Amino acid sequence: KNEVEQSPQNLTAQEGEFITINCSYSVGISALHWLQQHPGGGIVSLFMLSSGKKKHGRLIATINIQEKHSSLHITASHPRDSAVYICAVSDYGGSQGNLIFGKGTKLSVKP
Amino acid sequence: NAGVTQTPKFQVLKTGQSMTLQCAQDMNHNSMYWYRQDPGMGLRLIYYSASEGTTDKGEVPNGYNVSRLNKREFSLRLESAAPSQTSVYFCASSTRQGTDTQYFGPGTRLTVL
Repeated sequence: KNEVEQSPQNLTAQEGEFITINCSYSVGISALHWLQQHPGGGIVSLFMLSSGKKKHGRLIATINIQEKHSSLHITASHPRDSAVYICAVSDYGGSQGNLIFGKGTKLSVKP
Repeated sequence: NAGVTQTPKFQVLKTGQSMTLQCAQDMNHNSMYWYRQDPGMGLRLIYYSASEGTTDKGEVPNGYNVSRLNKREFSLRLESAAPSQTSVYFCASSTRQGTDTQYFGPGTRLTVL
């Protein structure tokens, strides 16, 4: 069983739509990260959170520690949001605090 | 600031050849990491260095060695490349191991024939 599960695996949206990507994890964590991988391959960190909610521009990330679940929302989606979104958790249990990654959600936003 | 740089960007090797992937960061980070990314799988940790002078195995260390040359540089060596090592390799760094934001290099696409 994967320790970090993302859904959906693939997502196609029309420009302007509200988008939600989900991440569930099975281990105790100290933090959860959302990353974006551009079509060219580069990876950038979007959020790191351990509780509550964070917002940056049109992106919102939430986490529910009790339910071991996080969501990444994109409001008013745009074709430039097309990318792979990756959820990762810092696990102080079995991996010495290193990140455990989900397989990613590939988002395509059509104009 | 260049951030995290990696060389080369692309490489093709024959089975059995050796090579070293170079990584450098200019953010004065203590921790550095090497990952591989394969289709259909999440990023997997090969080796990491929590601080200068230390290195440890990650999830998939077999067939690789690393050197933390100084605080800035962390190299990954394939002694005898195998087709199973065909992958995209990313180097990353963070202030501290674990909870801190990681900054990624642009990646090296390696093909082993």
